Amino acid sequence: GENVEQHPSTLSVQEGDSAVIKCTYSDSASNYFPWYKQELGKRPQLIIDIRSNVGEKKDQRIAVTLNKTAKHFSLHITETQPEDSAVYFCAAILSGTYKYIFGTGTRLKVLA
Amino acid sequence: EAGVVQSPRYKIIEKKQPVAFWCNPISGHNTLYWYRQNLGQGPELLIRYENEEAVDDSQLPKDRFSAERLKGVDSTLKIQPAELGDSAVYLCASSSTRGRDTQYFGPGTRLTVL
Repeated sequence: GENVEQHPSTLSVQEGDSAVIKCTYSDSASNYFPWYKQELGKRPQLIIDIRSNVGEKKDQRIAVTLNKTAKHFSLHITETQPEDSAVYFCAAILSGTYKYIFGTGTRLKVLA
Repeated sequence: EAGVVQSPRYKIIEKKQPVAFWCNPISGHNTLYWYRQNLGQGPELLIRYENEEAVDDSQLPKDRFSAERLKGVDSTLKIQPAELGDSAVYLCASSSTRGRDTQYFGPGTRLTVL
């Protein structure tokens, strides 16, 4: 079955710096990779996603890159702001199976 | 559009008591998921519904957990009896047929079993 490893588990950056979170998946058939942001006590919110036919996707300060050969994908946040502080989860899914396998999460703290 | 609605938001019970959680998915979403999220972990799927049919309940501890989605819209997840290890956040999510890969989560129910 699919397994997703996520690193680092915690990340502290200064406001304005960049943050990178990396996930590695095991099932090469996985083809959809969403990223969720979860603030304390709130629901996981989809912030960006990527499909396996694309190598990179960007949305303002957030970008995701995918390396299918190495089976890893990364979340990049540039010009971090205090409101980016949250737990970020990656997930991998075989399209059509509906079964998300989540990483263990990264607690990002942006220091003002 | 309104998001996924869950209630209650918080529940504290004694062990061996029953507890139930309710979820109303986004209108028009026929796929509904129940997840359990332990502290510091990612969500883990308990059960998935397609309309009123449970199509994946392989991770549901059936000795004490049950779920239903009688009319293919809202759903209830029940634990009876609750154990200390059931303390977690129970998340409901939904997705549509057209955008089936993207799941939208509710705010969750935080269960504390004493």
